This record gives sequence, C-alpha cells and structure tokens, in this order.
Amino acid sequence: TQLLEQSPQFLSIQEGENLTVYCNSSSVFSSLQWYRQEPGEGPVLLVTVVTGGEVKKLKRLTFQFGDARKDSSLHITAAQPGDTGLYLCAGGSGAGGTSYGKLTFGQGTILTVHP
Amino acid sequence: SAVISQKPSRDICQRGTSLTIQCQVDSQVTMMFWYRQQPGQSLTLIATANQGSEATYESGFVIDKFPISRPNLTFSTLTVSNMSPEDSSIYLCSVGTSGRIVDEQFFGPGTRLTVL
Repeated sequence: TQLLEQSPQFLSIQEGENLTVYCNSSSVFSSLQWYRQEPGEGPVLLVTVVTGGEVKKLKRLTFQFGDARKDSSLHITAAQPGDTGLYLCAGGSGAGGTSYGKLTFGQGTILTVHP
Repeated sequence: SAVISQKPSRDICQRGTSLTIQCQVDSQVTMMFWYRQQPGQSLTLIATANQGSEATYESGFVIDKFPISRPNLTFSTLTVSNMSPEDSSIYLCSVGTSGRIVDEQFFGPGTRLTVL
C-alpha cells in the first residue's frame, strides 16, 4: 500500500510570509499532483510533476519533485489571503495493474493567511 | 480539462432514507471516481466507476450501501442508502486520465450531505 505523508497539517501565517508544504513517501510515484481546495468547492489541480528533480513555477508557487520521485514540495512566496485553502498532494503510479488511474492522497494542509 | 457538475450541491436528509447524487461531465471519459471527504480533511476513495464494467469498491465500502451506476461515458450516479448521521460528509466525483506515466483527476464541486 502506497502512503503519502503530508506536513504540516495546519499552517497559519501572516500575509507576506513564505511557506513550504512537504509530501514524502517510501514509494516511487510516476507522477505527482498538487491540488488546492476552497470551502464549498472541489479540489482544483494546480500542477503535475513527472520527472525526478523537476521544478515548476506557477506565479508565486514553486513545485518540486524529488530526484527519486518519492517526495515533493510546494513553496509559496509572499503568501496572500487568497492563498488560503486546503492543499493536497496526490501521487499516481501510471497505467496498469489494480491501481490503474487511482491516486494516493496526502492528508492535506490547511493554510490560513491572515491580512 | 473536463467540466464536471454535481447534483444536488447540498442536501439535508433523514436517517433511513437514500440519496442519489448525480455527476455529469461535458466530455466522454472512461474513468470516474467517487470520493468522500470530511471538511478540512483529505479524500477517501469509495469506488472506481469505469464505463462498461462493474464499479470497483475500496475496502470498507460495499455496493449495497453505495450503489453506483455508470450508464454512459458522461454520467454516473452514487446512491447513499439507508443513511445514518455517520454518512454526513462531502461526496465528490472525479474524472481521470491515465497514461503510461501520468495519472490526473479533475473534480466536481461536491455534494454536501447532512443526515439528521
């Protein structure tokens, strides 16, 4: 059974601060996704990383996939109140087998950015 | 990405009754998934509903409690049967794409269910 350990579970910061959320596993994933979810809505896909060591940037958000494809991080620079939400990482194992198409989700990080 | 809608968006139900949640996609997709989520927490997969085959349930979820239909490539329903307060949760459908390397899922807005 694949597990993704996500930390921290809660993060409360002031506007303008930087933060990093981590997802770690003992398993190798072929791809890893990061989602953000706001109250009353479904999770929205932010990014997918595929290659070990890959770094992707989305405005103030930087996503990194570990070299061994077992871990990932999300770094937010100069956080804003609009960044508030539940952040979820999810790993995929690629086509084939009983896990075809399924994702393994981390426990989630609730981020609150205070003005 | 596909546009996914769910009905109802929320409902309050009495214990012992059943509720059917609908998931509609604006394009044809093979893989659909149903999840349950407590507010502020991660997602728990209930079942995979691929068109043309019976739904596959995860450990702890059974067909008698959560029957699923998948009549075509754009639509699915999840029924929560004989509800109890413990079934109060957010129910989400998603559609998946799976390649040799990349698995991605896109989610509907969810159905917030409260059972009294």
